Amino acid sequence: SAVISQKPSRDICQRGTSLTIQCQVDSQVTMMFWYRQQPGQSLTLIATANQGSEATYESGFVIDKFPISRPNLTFSTLTVSNMSPEDSSIYLCSVELARETQYFGPGTRLLVL
Amino acid sequence: SQQGEEDPQALSIQEGENATMNCSYKTSINNLQWYRQNSGRGLVHLILIRSNEREKHSGRLRVTLDTSKKSSSLLITASRAADTASYFCATDEGTGFQKLVFGTGTRLLVSP
Repeated sequence: SAVISQKPSRDICQRGTSLTIQCQVDSQVTMMFWYRQQPGQSLTLIATANQGSEATYESGFVIDKFPISRPNLTFSTLTVSNMSPEDSSIYLCSVELARETQYFGPGTRLLVL
Repeated sequence: SQQGEEDPQALSIQEGENATMNCSYKTSINNLQWYRQNSGRGLVHLILIRSNEREKHSGRLRVTLDTSKKSSSLLITASRAADTASYFCATDEGTGFQKLVFGTGTRLLVSP
């Protein structure tokens, strides 16, 4: 496994603002993933981020709302733009390390007022 | 993609009892994984079972997979209060890419 950290761990934001979430891994990985977990719900994949290329977004998620950066093999950011209360969720990054196994960061708990 | 279903949605047992959670999915898969989540925090990977495997063990965990029924079960034996968490199954939908589709989850409460 690897050590995956996320910043911030939680935040309370006002509607209309944006928040950038950071994900740091202690080893180099090809693929990083961003998930959203709405209150009381399961996880939904937002996008896949490969280093050196644009992120690939899942149906229902767009780059203008959730821009992603992947500047190197150990780091990625997800921005939640122009937030509304419906964006209140836990946002998790994950990486694929061992074959076919994904490991998750501790998550960022976001509350939008 | 569509989420898989897990049942029960919630399970309450006493310490020492066994807990069984079931997962059904909709598409062909290469593998199925089980994760645990404590109190809305990050997910902990428990076990991966490949489509050509029928059963796998890891400590107190036993996972079965029936690809003909598109279902899997997770058995936790001799449960402990520390096992209290939400448990999710996740599949790769057979795409060859590691995009996981998660089930709806089972909330397990183990009382001392």
